Amino acid sequence: QSVLTQPPSVSGAPGQTVTISCTGSSSNLGAGYDVHWYQQVPGAAPRLLISTNTNRPSGVPGRFSGSKSGTSASLVVTGVQAEDEADYYCQSYDSGLTAVVFGGGTKLTVL
Amino acid sequence: QMQLVESGGGLVKPGGSLRLSCVGSGVNFGDYYMTWFRQPPGKGLEWVSYINSRGRNINYADSVRGRFTISRDNAKNSLYLQMDSLRVEDTATYYCARDGGGNSESDFWGQGTLVIVSS
Repeated sequence: QSVLTQPPSVSGAPGQTVTISCTGSSSNLGAGYDVHWYQQVPGAAPRLLISTNTNRPSGVPGRFSGSKSGTSASLVVTGVQAEDEADYYCQSYDSGLTAVVFGGGTKLTVL
Repeated sequence: QMQLVESGGGLVKPGGSLRLSCVGSGVNFGDYYMTWFRQPPGKGLEWVSYINSRGRNINYADSVRGRFTISRDNAKNSLYLQMDSLRVEDTATYYCARDGGGNSESDFWGQGTLVIVSS
């Protein structure tokens, strides 16, 4: 059972907009801790996609964006492409657990 | 840019020990927090432990506290994870990563090393 809750899977046709949610609680996202997003293609290490809620590191395509409000955060892929098919994880910090925490991951399928 | 390479994974029996290493290059390794994560086969990511640049601020996940020990040698650009009293549920790919500790993002990751705990 992950501390942060993500849908197990989402899908979309090429060019569509896809949203992945990440829901936390008052001891993590709701306490003001930042959320970070990672992309992991099969067989590879995770890659930082969005840092500190909304920041896109150099090299990450502009179609990826992040937001956070209260106890929830979202990753949006605007105009999804075939190469975006991967697993996506949200990460934050939990003050009650004094631990770094992850969502269970969401598999994005491009139809 | 920072490159990280893990090593030391392998097959070990329950109750056994293993020491993982992670060597960094490309930037000043000693300036950064470093973290170990793991990912059981077919499952999600799990944070294991982090250590600050001087080795004085350390934290562990409850699942490994008392059994795993994180350390570093900045002169060798190296991070370590000593894993004792290994359990079947410790089976995973272990990744090292650079970050700022606590609520910071991990911006550079190694390729991972697989640890299998099985009799």
